[in-house]
Amino acid sequence: NAGVMQNPRHLVRRRGQEARLRCSPMKGHSHVYWYRQLPEEGLKFMVYLQKENIIDESGMPKERFSAEFPKEGPSILRIQQVVRGDSAAYFCASRLAGVEYEQFFGPGTRLTVL
Amino acid sequence: AQSVAQPEDQVNVAEGNPLTVKCTYSVSGNPYLFWYVQYPNRGLQFLLKYITGDNLVKGSYGFEAEFNKSQTSFHLKKPSALVSDSALYFCAVRDIEGTSGTYKYIFGTGTRLKVLA
Repeated sequence: NAGVMQNPRHLVRRRGQEARLRCSPMKGHSHVYWYRQLPEEGLKFMVYLQKENIIDESGMPKERFSAEFPKEGPSILRIQQVVRGDSAAYFCASRLAGVEYEQFFGPGTRLTVL
Repeated sequence: AQSVAQPEDQVNVAEGNPLTVKCTYSVSGNPYLFWYVQYPNRGLQFLLKYITGDNLVKGSYGFEAEFNKSQTSFHLKKPSALVSDSALYFCAVRDIEGTSGTYKYIFGTGTRLKVLA
């Protein structure tokens, strides 16, 4: 059973471009979380999704950021018109429905904005 | 809202000595507490959790954590540190969001553990 997959592992964008980060949860997992880790800081919750639904997006900036988790395919975190302050590691975690106490993390995508 | 605090940015310990990484929490209700470890350029790996039951929780790689309700602490411990334990350690609490009953996780700022040979 493969773990949580994230791609790309490294992403370089110039200011103003769009960044699309993908997360494939573990097989059978229908709940996905996205976190952002700024350099030398802890993880900050961004958004929590279930298949086709955004459950909690209270940690996600209101502008430029969006997330989706379609019925088929990976979860996508999309950042439009990136700025240098968006440079960070973005981690995805997934869990099984009904098992609230354990989430499994992907290796992260490191976004660098030039 | 729930929160966790990791008061130490860094902990240094000699190989073979016991180690403790501190975590305190603030919750309303019964806490669900977790420890994760992050190695350089890697994602987080689950170490252990406390939900209910024994206050001493045993986890992966010889780590354990002690839940102390009166002190609202959940310190991570290991009897004998290894150089390979050097990593970034995060304490986390599960946060229940309002009436919807949805769950998200609140992480501490992390403690960097350095085990010296």
